[in-house]
Amino acid sequence: SAVISQKPSRDICQRGTSLTIQCQVDSQVTMMFWYRQQPGQSLTLIATANQGSEATYESGFVIDKFPISRPNLTFSTLTVSNMSPEDSSIYLCSARGGLNTEAFFGQGTRLTVV
Amino acid sequence: DQQVKQNSPSLSVQEGRISILNCDYTNSMFDYFLWYKKYPAEGPTFLISISSIKDKNEDGRFTVFLNKSAKHLSLHIVPSQPGDSAVYFCAASAQSNYQLIWGAGTKLIIKP
Repeated sequence: SAVISQKPSRDICQRGTSLTIQCQVDSQVTMMFWYRQQPGQSLTLIATANQGSEATYESGFVIDKFPISRPNLTFSTLTVSNMSPEDSSIYLCSARGGLNTEAFFGQGTRLTVV
Repeated sequence: DQQVKQNSPSLSVQEGRISILNCDYTNSMFDYFLWYKKYPAEGPTFLISISSIKDKNEDGRFTVFLNKSAKHLSLHIVPSQPGDSAVYFCAASAQSNYQLIWGAGTKLIIKP
């Protein structure tokens, strides 16, 4: 199993600012993902963080709004840029070591934009 | 198009009884299925998984059943305990794809 440390755990931000969320895994993992979960809803995949190359974004999410870095096999960041109240959500980092294995999650970042 | 469906938004069960959570899928390429539990303000926690080559997998109080012909899986929790109150998510993945496809979740409430 992998332990994922995600920070910050929560933040309240002013609209128009940016927040960078960090995700550290205690072992090398093949794949890392960033999700968003809005209240009462399921997990929505934002992007797959690719080591050493640009992230792969899902429909509805763009790099300018959610730039992602993954400099190595244990670390990734997600930035929520030019925030608006609609960005208020829980953001989750996930890692998966291989096919037919479970994915592990950080504890999430609860973001409130005012 | 929702490929993984959890049709019950919530389920209430008496403590000590069996909880049965259901999940349906539409993509016949899915070959690995997982159940997660999520408390508020925490990330999802992995519970149990099953490969498509099996029809049952058991781990303590948790058993997952897979019916491939019906494209249906279920999670049984017995006996249910107060700490089991949480949102349960079903997820699936297809061979050669690392992405997990998630259901909408079922909120399980265990009554004393």
